Amino acid sequence: GAVVSQHPSWVICKSGTSVKIECRSLDFQATTMFWYRQFPKQSLMLMATSNEGSKATYEQGVEKDKFLINHASLTLSTLTVTSAHPEDSSFYICSAPDSTEAFFGQGTRLTVV
Amino acid sequence: GENVEQHPSTLSVQEGDSAVIKCTYSDSASNYFPWYKQELGKGPQLIIDIRSNVGEKKDQRIAVTLNKTAKHFSLHITETQPEDSAVYFCAASYGDSNYQLIWGAGTKLIIKP
Repeated sequence: GAVVSQHPSWVICKSGTSVKIECRSLDFQATTMFWYRQFPKQSLMLMATSNEGSKATYEQGVEKDKFLINHASLTLSTLTVTSAHPEDSSFYICSAPDSTEAFFGQGTRLTVV
Repeated sequence: GENVEQHPSTLSVQEGDSAVIKCTYSDSASNYFPWYKQELGKGPQLIIDIRSNVGEKKDQRIAVTLNKTAKHFSLHITETQPEDSAVYFCAASYGDSNYQLIWGAGTKLIIKP
């Protein structure tokens, strides 16, 4: 089946620095990708919808300037957490749908120290 | 706004018994209802899904039922095995995309040997 690859799987960064997370659809093209955030023992919360060639659509309460999304090609979307703070520590997951279902990356564990 | 409620939050069953997880949704326009299994530290994996024109779908030991009138859908796992232990999430589509999802809170399924 289709595969979505997310990289890195985990990252530790210092407060104030930026971190980029990549999401790639390996064997299909995805005009839309979704970025989720998941806190421990909680559900996934949609942060934004990434649209190839246009601006991302952010959910209410998600800071656009803090969580920069770029969807420059049909197989790659990136999420950059800018000026990271400890409260940004979380599990970030991307999703890319093909014509039949949504496939998920393996997630990125971000720890800001 | 749109909402998906999932019960129970934790379910412990004896190996070989059946497990049932239930969800209700609020958006009558939802037409796609996937179920995901998430293991610790990994992204969600689709295990079964159902669309609004179908009342029931089965795949080996897993089945999903949908009652659109009552806005209920349920996951049924029969002959449970230790490897079924995980967190299960239901979701319902909303908006223009079938894959823009509202998620339930999750059910931790524990299979007792």
